[in-house]
Amino acid sequence: QKEVEQNSGPLSVPEGAIASLNCTYSDRGSQSFFWYRQYSGKSPELIMSIYSNGDKEDGRFTAQLNKASQYVSLLIRDSQPSDSATYLCAVNRWRGNQFYFGTGTSLTVIP
Amino acid sequence: EAGVVQSPRYKIIEKKQPVAFWCNPISGHNTLYWYRQNLGQGPELLIRYENEEAVDDSQLPKDRFSAERLKGVDSTLKIQPAELGDSAVYLCASSLRLDPYNEQFFGPGTRLTVL
Repeated sequence: QKEVEQNSGPLSVPEGAIASLNCTYSDRGSQSFFWYRQYSGKSPELIMSIYSNGDKEDGRFTAQLNKASQYVSLLIRDSQPSDSATYLCAVNRWRGNQFYFGTGTSLTVIP
Repeated sequence: EAGVVQSPRYKIIEKKQPVAFWCNPISGHNTLYWYRQNLGQGPELLIRYENEEAVDDSQLPKDRFSAERLKGVDSTLKIQPAELGDSAVYLCASSLRLDPYNEQFFGPGTRLTVL
């Protein structure tokens, strides 16, 4: 079982729609959760972090965490073509401070 | 504030040759990470430093890979000899300190091609 699992996609949404990206993790001891955006040929860029159950909003982005279900998601409202990228979910297992990335979900926003 | 700096950005070598990558973390960041990212995959941790001490190198293929972080700032990752399967992007990241809530920031990466 992988530490972090994501649907690789590709996920396509029309411009202006809500894009929903999902991630599950295997270790209940995980303490912090991150979403990175990676454009083709570029390095990962941090867009959201979340540590507590519930929602965290930052502009058009909302991260949702449910530790009981071991599930974290990212919602992108009013999707723009510039949001087209691969979104990586990362989880930090504090035991040993081990940081794991999923394989990423490819998102395409269609104008 | 300057971000994480890496060089070179691209490197093409023949198999069995040595190669080295350099990283300068964000000023004041004590924790430094080296990752390898294969096409279509997420980054995989190779080694993590807390200041000059390697606190997790369990995923580093020690037969051919080595790393150092002199004076707890810049770091170098070396491969000797390189193999075809080492072709990947090598990413350096840094964070303020080693704790679970610290965010990591990545450099631009070095794309290695081994022929």
